[in-house]
Amino acid sequence: DTAVSQTPKYLVTQMGNDKSIKCEQNLGHDTMYWYKQDSKKFLKIMFSYNNKELIINETVPNRFSPKSPDKAHLNLHINSLELGDSAVYFCASSQTSDRGFNEKLFFGSGTQLSVL
Amino acid sequence: AQKITQTQPGMFVQEKEAVTLDCTYDTSDPSYGLFWYKQPSSGEMIFLIYQGSYDQQNATEGRYSLNFQKARKSANLVISASQLGDSAMYFCAMRDPWSQKVTFGIGTKLQVIP
Repeated sequence: DTAVSQTPKYLVTQMGNDKSIKCEQNLGHDTMYWYKQDSKKFLKIMFSYNNKELIINETVPNRFSPKSPDKAHLNLHINSLELGDSAVYFCASSQTSDRGFNEKLFFGSGTQLSVL
Repeated sequence: AQKITQTQPGMFVQEKEAVTLDCTYDTSDPSYGLFWYKQPSSGEMIFLIYQGSYDQQNATEGRYSLNFQKARKSANLVISASQLGDSAMYFCAMRDPWSQKVTFGIGTKLQVIP
């Protein structure tokens, strides 16, 4: 069983369209994340949810809207797609422990978004 | 704010040799976790090794070890006996215990030469 699964793996779309990426984890983790990896491979955090509550919201255009229906799912909806949105989007999850800093991230396989 | 610096955009190493990938970090918090991840050309992110700020000993995981120098704020990854399959991007990362935010460095591309 895949621990963190995200769909689709590839997404090719026209500028101006709206698209969604889905993510599910079966690890029982409390915290889920969305990261964007640009063409230079830089990984930048976008959002994080802990038990369905938004805890990290980086400087991201409001065209990006995360939604967590339950703690096992974190979806990303993108409105009015732009050329600069082309990137690989990674979902990740981790447990939240009392120590708070020793829990590693488990990543999905990534969604390669190409905006034409 | 936390910051991770990886100053080696690319590294070459001969097969079977050891290689050190540099990572320095900046944080004002005494509690933090440091991680290394590997990203092969296939794109998945693979966890390699973890070091906690209060850990007295350097972390080791098989051929991977972390050279943790707290006073210098460095957490270098050492890969011993390099293999062709080690060719990949390597990312250093740090977790903030309060926000749960994990910040990544820009990565180092390692190429292992036969």
